[in-house]
Amino acid sequence: SQTIHQWPATLVQPVGSPLSLECTVEGTSNPNLYWYRQAAGRGLQLLFYSVGIGQISSEVPQNLSASRPQDRQFILSSKKLLLSDSGFYLCAWSRGGGSYEQYFGPGTRLTVT
Amino acid sequence: GQQLNQSPQSMFIQEGEDVSMNCTSSSIFNTWLWYKQDPGEGPVLLIALYKAGELTSNGRLTAQFGITRKDSFLNISASIPSDVGIYFCAGRGSNSGYALNFGKGTSLLVTP
Repeated sequence: SQTIHQWPATLVQPVGSPLSLECTVEGTSNPNLYWYRQAAGRGLQLLFYSVGIGQISSEVPQNLSASRPQDRQFILSSKKLLLSDSGFYLCAWSRGGGSYEQYFGPGTRLTVT
Repeated sequence: GQQLNQSPQSMFIQEGEDVSMNCTSSSIFNTWLWYKQDPGEGPVLLIALYKAGELTSNGRLTAQFGITRKDSFLNISASIPSDVGIYFCAGRGSNSGYALNFGKGTSLLVTP
């Protein structure tokens, strides 16, 4: 069976500090990977998605960037956090090749102070 | 992305009651998905629909892909306290690639 991990679970960072959130998937190969942000417990906003190693599509201009250094690893980064970057960050995966069912990780709660 | 209108925004019901919620889009979708999210956790996929008119059940949950392909419905029968959470619809149009459009969610509260 497939599992998806995110860490850290919670993070408190000062404004202007860097960010690195990690997501890994087990039990599948060549997944599509996604980063979402959820504000105030509602409304998922797609930030980035990737269909393969090194392939990143950005959905919304952000203070954030994403990278996929390995097949089942997806990283969300920022060089300098803003207050508005606070939120609940969710990673998700779907099977490649035309499957649209996305499966979410447990999320990371980021608070920028 | 395309905005989905999900309603109602919240529901407060008694245990044992049936629940209905729906999602509409201004454009045609090829895929409808329904998720449930518990507080502080990631959404969990409940039901996936791929054909207009399709009716699919998962235990006490039943979802339908609207005939017009612009809407979808989720029903929960005989609600129980653990049904509490936020329910999201998500849809995908033919030109959306792998991206899903999410509704803003229906918050469900169930009293014993």
